[in-house]
Amino acid sequence: QVQLVQSGPEVKSPGASMKVSCQTSGYSFTGYHIHWVRQAPGQGLEWVGWIRTDNGATKFSQTFDGRVSMTRDTSIATAYLELNSLRSDDTAIYYCSRLVVGGLDLWGQGTLVSVSS
Amino acid sequence: QSALAQPASVSGSPGQSVTISCTGISSDVGGYTYVSWYQQHPDKAPKLIIYDVSSRPSGVSGRFSGSKSANTASLTISGLQTEDEAEYFCSSFRARGPYVFGTGTRVTVL
Repeated sequence: QVQLVQSGPEVKSPGASMKVSCQTSGYSFTGYHIHWVRQAPGQGLEWVGWIRTDNGATKFSQTFDGRVSMTRDTSIATAYLELNSLRSDDTAIYYCSRLVVGGLDLWGQGTLVSVSS
Repeated sequence: QSALAQPASVSGSPGQSVTISCTGISSDVGGYTYVSWYQQHPDKAPKLIIYDVSSRPSGVSGRFSGSKSANTASLTISGLQTEDEAEYFCSSFRARGPYVFGTGTRVTVL
């Protein structure tokens, strides 16, 4: 079955770090880039960045000012999103998604990350 | 990074057509054919319904269609149905971005 399955919800304190995983199955992992998108409560979608699953190259939104990193483990077909120095406005659902030509056709179920003191 | 501009809400009666606009600039919507649209029901992940301005993924109803003119892309839902009630987001490739989403439009079926 072609799917993306993300890790469970996280609760973090301000200044901490988060790491969300996105395990893929049912297709060739290195054949498609993985994008990360977040959605704050009641808000719209915000593009976080992408990782090329074949060579690990990354591109991030300037919004995150060096706080973000993305990695992947091809042996287990899994991508990871890390965000450091968490703030309350990082509270959001974080989605991983697969890029096909022109669009994100497959999405994970989302991971809620709550940042609160 | 400013989002693409969409109307906050549109509404229509069952069977009618509604159109959602998505306005950007020449370095995103106006400069590329990588415009896509997503449908999101409450507490669900987004679903791709249009890519490359006007292409539909397999399985997406033909009632959804996309187009683009200059810096504005549009999504039209024809024959509106109750299950079309959702939030809709556009997205575009953007130079120096490289991706940006729209502000989102709530579609209400009256």
